[in-house]
Amino acid sequence: GESVGLHLPTLSVQEGDNSIINCAYSNSASDYFIWYKQESGKGPQFIIDIRSNMDKRQGQRVTVLLNKTVKHLSLQIAATQPGDSAVYFCAEIFNDMRFGAGTRLTVKP
Amino acid sequence: DGGITQSPKYLFRKEGQNVTLSCEQNLNHDAMYWYRQDPGQGLRLIYYSQIVNDFQKGDIAEGYSVSREKKESFPLTVTSAQKNPTAFYLCASGTLNGYTFGSGTRLTVV
Repeated sequence: GESVGLHLPTLSVQEGDNSIINCAYSNSASDYFIWYKQESGKGPQFIIDIRSNMDKRQGQRVTVLLNKTVKHLSLQIAATQPGDSAVYFCAEIFNDMRFGAGTRLTVKP
Repeated sequence: DGGITQSPKYLFRKEGQNVTLSCEQNLNHDAMYWYRQDPGQGLRLIYYSQIVNDFQKGDIAEGYSVSREKKESFPLTVTSAQKNPTAFYLCASGTLNGYTFGSGTRLTVV
């Protein structure tokens, strides 16, 4: 797929605002999706996941939305905090795990 | 504690040398993956393995090799055929219920 290896788009938000990060995936057969957070020099950390039989899943301050019709995922972060500043990736899983391009989120105090 | 361990954290290689990056997990996961990450970019799949003694090429397998002789271990060898090996390498393991990443190995060619 082509959802890999691109320079990162950026999103800048004010502390306390809500953030929405979007991701397009490539394989319509993918049946499991994960959002990861990556801080500089570290491995990705799991945030939230969703299976293809769902269109919305909520966690603590985070919500993932899945639109299979247009192969689109979004991650919503409520009341964004400075500690949320990182790069966010979506991953799609079918036989393997492939990553989207990622978005760099910067939270301004 | 259960987890996935990559070693070394930093690795320096001379041009023309092969090097092997270690990835070990004690999570009893069947699937393991290797990714390459270049600065400011996303993760690209090098190789993956869904079961012992079997592995598949990802998008950028050229210049790399792997083995999966044990469920716990999935070492990646960066060969001299990889022309631009300087990057951050990440290993992951997983099941249908979730995936875990190691902390990465930063490889630099000197």
